[in-house]
Amino acid sequence: DTGVSQDPRHKITKRGQNVTFRCDPISEHNRLYWYRQTLGQGPEFLTYFQNEAQLEKSRLLSDRFSAERPKGSFSTLEIQRTEQGDSAMYLCASSFVGTYGYTFGSGTRLTVV
Amino acid sequence: GQQVMQIPQYQHVQEGEDFTTYCNSSTTLSNIQWYKQRPGGHPVFLIQLVKSGEVKKQKRLTFQFGEAKKNSSLHITATQTTDVGTYFCAGANTGNQFYFGTGTSLTVIP
Repeated sequence: DTGVSQDPRHKITKRGQNVTFRCDPISEHNRLYWYRQTLGQGPEFLTYFQNEAQLEKSRLLSDRFSAERPKGSFSTLEIQRTEQGDSAMYLCASSFVGTYGYTFGSGTRLTVV
Repeated sequence: GQQVMQIPQYQHVQEGEDFTTYCNSSTTLSNIQWYKQRPGGHPVFLIQLVKSGEVKKQKRLTFQFGEAKKNSSLHITATQTTDVGTYFCAGANTGNQFYFGTGTSLTVIP
């Protein structure tokens, strides 16, 4: 158990549908990150929060993607009008300011059919 | 955007042989992290390097940060089957997010 929980573990959706993923970070961690990973590639940065503030969002990220972290605790990542190219593992990670390293969750694997 | 490349992409070694993966950035990094991802798993943090020329060791693993802070390496001495996985470097410049490299997949043949 890494301490970062992601739900669901797997999601199969039809093209055009909206999906939402949840991440519960380690409770004392104030930074939360979303990454996307496709087979054979390294994790690709999507966005990150410090407490409830979204401080950076990848310029490569489509407007169909939105993330929230209300109250600085759990976070949700929503993808609207999913496309087949959105199929990937969506990883959440958390960290505490001033410490090294991210703790990753087990990810949510999205398959768009 | 920041690009972090790693070589080789794949490496097969006999158990007991050494292994090295190299990480190169297109920009100067403020610091660099290394992660290991087992097949079917998620990245697990190994170490962070901050200073120019820094060398850190963790048992059989040696990590190095280049003098110009644009490259890094991970060396494993006498590989074991438990070392199997993909090793990623992740570099940061001025921001707080790390950009992951392309990874080196290590296979250890018993």
